[in-house]
Amino acid sequence: DAGVIQSPRHEVTEMGQEVTLRCKPISGHDYLFWYRQTMMQGLELLVYFNNKAVMDDSGMPKDRFSAKMPNASFSTLKIQPSEPRDSAVYFCASSHGRTPGYYGYTFGSGTRLTVV
Amino acid sequence: EDQVTQSPEALRLQEGESSSLNCSYTVSGLRGLFWYRQDPGKGPEFLFTLYSAGEEKEKERLKATLTKKESFLHITAPKPEDSATYLCAVQATGNTPLVFGKGTRLSVIA
Repeated sequence: DAGVIQSPRHEVTEMGQEVTLRCKPISGHDYLFWYRQTMMQGLELLVYFNNKAVMDDSGMPKDRFSAKMPNASFSTLKIQPSEPRDSAVYFCASSHGRTPGYYGYTFGSGTRLTVV
Repeated sequence: EDQVTQSPEALRLQEGESSSLNCSYTVSGLRGLFWYRQDPGKGPEFLFTLYSAGEEKEKERLKATLTKKESFLHITAPKPEDSATYLCAVQATGNTPLVFGKGTRLSVIA
């Protein structure tokens, strides 16, 4: 398996623009997580899915962020409108089952978002 | 609220100089404690899972231990390639998603 695949790797956008981050989880994994990483806050959970359904999105600013998982192999995180404070590295992770157990979550390489 | 605190924030070691990283946690009930390694520009990479106090796991120069309040990642005779950020995370017994600490940035100098 190629692992968790995220795109794009880097994104620079102007304040107010729409940004879409994409993620392909590992085949067979039924949980998908979106985390955001900054120097100040570390890794913060934004939203997670189980079998394509949103389980908890309380970490996500819902006035500007939206997350979808239209099928088992694809998820998007959309920011509209983007703001400079959204600048961070966004990670997607997947796991088989709610308890990561022996293998933990598998993370993608992340999308570095810069909003100017 | 589940919380994870890692110390120190940064650690600089000479090659061969052993040391330990600390992860203190507060959780309603511990399901598991996880250690990850993160290299610059990459996602976290899973290292260990610990489930109960007294448990130990080893991988090459790394050994993770767990008590009821904290975990230690011991690094024995480190090499420059061990330089990375080490992240600790906990999962509560409600099987909620992992909560991460901010990490320890380790630099090993040859």
